[in-house]
Amino acid sequence: EVQLVESGGGLVQPGGSLRLSCAASGFSFSSYWMSWVRQAPGKGLEWVANIKQDESEKYYVDSVKGRFTISRDNAKNSLCLQMNSLRAEDTAVYYCARVIGGSSWRHDYWGQGTLVTVSS
Amino acid sequence: DIQMTQSPSSLSTSVGGRVTITCRTSQSISSYLNWYQQKPGKAPELLIYAASTLQSGVPSRFSGSGSGTDFTLTISSLQPEDFGTYYCQQTYDLPWTFGQGTKVEIK
Repeated sequence: EVQLVESGGGLVQPGGSLRLSCAASGFSFSSYWMSWVRQAPGKGLEWVANIKQDESEKYYVDSVKGRFTISRDNAKNSLCLQMNSLRAEDTAVYYCARVIGGSSWRHDYWGQGTLVTVSS
Repeated sequence: DIQMTQSPSSLSTSVGGRVTITCRTSQSISSYLNWYQQKPGKAPELLIYAASTLQSGVPSRFSGSGSGTDFTLTISSLQPEDFGTYYCQQTYDLPWTFGQGTKVEIK
């Protein structure tokens, strides 16, 4: 059974940093692209970042470029999101999601999410 | 960025009724269109990918159609468990973008 379990969320002051993790199990983690997707309270979904299997390609939404870094450890089946210079508008539930690529890209499995609150 | 416009923003239909949600994109995305269902407090779940392909395990009352800039998600016979918010997503070009969501309530 595919499982994705996020951790690391919490309350952080504006300008602060936080590192999110996602533990993957039940599939060959090193064979898949992975994503982070976020959802501000009461709002819709926003794609944040993608990472290729070997970390050779990483992509970000403009609003987090230069502040967030996506990474992975295939030996530990783990996905991370390092978030620096956090702003109030980064407050959201952050989901990790498995990506199916090829002819039709999509997120087929999602974690339960971890809440990040940026507030003084 | 490719803009996604879903309509309606919300709807209420009786059990057994037919539901149609539309998603329009600001430029052609071929068939790179996915649909997700999200229930309150839960993660989204993939329903339809490539505009019309049913994800494994998803009931056949869900269907998708369209290509280019206009897409439709249809629930042929609404069931009580179909409440929630539905999102379209384009994966034709980065940044991947989602529609604003359509909240479906059971009348």
